[in-house]
This record gives sequence, structure tokens and C-alpha cells, in this order.
Amino acid sequence: VLLTQSPGTLSLSLGERATLSCTSSKSINGYLAWYQHKPGQPPRLLVYDTSNRATGIPARFSGSGSGTDYTLTIASLESDDFAVYFCQQRFGWPRTFGQGTKVEV
Amino acid sequence: QVELLESGPGLVKPSQTLSLTCNVSGDSISNGDYFWSWLRQSPGEGLEWFGYIATGGGTFYNPSLKSRVTIGIDKSKNQLSLSLTSVTVADTAVYYCARCFGRYSACWYFDLWGRGALVTVSS
Repeated sequence: VLLTQSPGTLSLSLGERATLSCTSSKSINGYLAWYQHKPGQPPRLLVYDTSNRATGIPARFSGSGSGTDYTLTIASLESDDFAVYFCQQRFGWPRTFGQGTKVEV
Repeated sequence: QVELLESGPGLVKPSQTLSLTCNVSGDSISNGDYFWSWLRQSPGEGLEWFGYIATGGGTFYNPSLKSRVTIGIDKSKNQLSLSLTSVTVADTAVYYCARCFGRYSACWYFDLWGRGALVTVSS
């Protein structure tokens, strides 16, 4: 399953809403996760199965979507949110990832 | 808390075998039903999953890499290992170990990651 993320880079300001997209090459039944990755740190699981927030993830992060189109929304950007975000599917084998969206100031 | 730390040579020559270790601290690697995995990210590319070794011992390998990959687990040392044979410059990447969770004996998502180890393949 090929995952395509857009945009490649998102330039936003503190307090703005971020909308990140992940499109799959076939329907993946909602079996999609989002991760946050900052340089030098381990990637962090944010959302799994489209809309379930992982333990300890703030409510400003939300996921939605179905079929082939999925969205991660960050309601109001905080300084800690500027990072790379990537999606991952568990519908097919092997598990595959999108190429990432960089959210920058 | 549980932490993962990758280690190994940062430089490997073409045609040689790349060997990495992942040390698990904060809990026993034998605890729980997890799928211990290796992944990598090449420059400018998305993440690629090598596969896993389950706590119970079963393995799954990505078909694109299967002929060159071995993932092992040493429960006495609380370590995960990766062996990748016949490397080329295309294997230059940051390599990550990660813990995968799921249900029905399947790896779903990765809830714990190491910081990654850069491996460069060059003569």
C-alpha cells in the first residue's frame, strides 16, 4: 500500500490550525496512524486507527478520514508541534509509511 | 520508562554485513505480546520496515529485504539485533528499532522507538 502525504512542507504560525493529508493507493479501512518526529528524538505515536489518540497525546491533535483519504489536524499550533509528521498503514503487508510532512514556522 | 537505544558501526563497506544492536531498558523484552522491529529511513525517503521478531519468537520479513535480513532477540541481554548482508550505498540510512503492538497476533503500530543510528555504506 503506497501512502502519499501532502503538502511536503506546511509553513504556519503559532496558534494557527494545521491540516495534514495522507492518501493511500487503496482503501485501508481506517487502519492508519500518525507519528510526530523531531530531529534527534524518537518518533512518537500520536493517533492510531484514524482517530484514536495515543496515551498522553494532547486533545489538539485529532485524526479523521476513511477509505483512501486521511487527515491529521492540529487545532492550534504550539511551539512544541513544529516537527515532521508521517502516516503509517496496517491494512496491508508489509506495513508502509508516507514520506512525511514538515510543519515549520 | 522503557527506552530503546541502537548501537553499531557507523560505517560499513559495500558487500559487507551491517550488524546493529538495540538495547531495551526499563522492562524485559520478554514481557507482553509485542513485535520487535527494525526500520530505516534513507536520505529523502520515507520509512521502510524490515519486519519483526515477536516476543514469542515468530518472525516476519519485508519481502523486498527478506533475502538479506535477519532479526534476532537475546532475552538474556534484553537486546534486539539486525543483520543485513551484502550492503550497497543504497543501504545508507538512519536505522531505528521499535516496538510494535497489535491484536490477533499481528503487528499494528509502533508505540516505542529508539533515536536511530546513522549507518553509512562507503568504501
